[in-house]
Amino acid sequence: AQTVTQSQPEMSVQEAETVTLSCTYDTSESNYYLFWYKQPPSRQMILVIRQEAYKQQNATENRFSVNFQKAAKSFSLKISDSQLGDTAMYFCAFMMIYGQNFVFGPGTRLSVLP
Amino acid sequence: EAQVTQNPRYLITVTGKKLTVTCSQNMNHEYMSWYRQDPGLGLRQIYYSMNVEVTDKGDVPEGYKVSRKEKRNFPLILESPSPNQTSLYFCASRSAGYRTGELFFGEGSRLTVL
Repeated sequence: AQTVTQSQPEMSVQEAETVTLSCTYDTSESNYYLFWYKQPPSRQMILVIRQEAYKQQNATENRFSVNFQKAAKSFSLKISDSQLGDTAMYFCAFMMIYGQNFVFGPGTRLSVLP
Repeated sequence: EAQVTQNPRYLITVTGKKLTVTCSQNMNHEYMSWYRQDPGLGLRQIYYSMNVEVTDKGDVPEGYKVSRKEKRNFPLILESPSPNQTSLYFCASRSAGYRTGELFFGEGSRLTVL
């Protein structure tokens, strides 16, 4: 069974600074998707970024980028120029291609401080 | 607007009183699923459905039922709720095709069982 680990329950960063959230996963599969979802205080789950495991290039979306290390089974999220609106719970998630289930990590609560 | 709609958003009930949380999506997605979110555990899958009349258990199905009579609807039924089912519930959907993967979430339903 796949598992996803986020070793940082809480983090904080000053506005305009850069922060990196860690995620590791365990799988014997070679083809899969990885995701970062953001959950602000409104509780809505919002997709931040997605990475397909067969792509070597790291995904980027504006201020958000990932460092995908397939051999190490690591998928960290970097947030540049942090903004107050980035304050949220962040979940790392894994899904096999043609899979039935997303496996989520326990989450990292990020606070952006003014 | 593409969306997943779940109701009610908030509910307080008592042990043993049957309740249903509705979920509807307007994106013609084949795949729908229910998750519960608990502190420190992330999101865990309760049930999922690959298409009409096709449902299967996720990781934590005990105490829940589902049905998929129409493609757009996937209600979650608690026949006899207990306090350990107090949680935040999310319905989600996605296309079942290859090279997709992104889950679209409803806004969540906060359930309290007294």
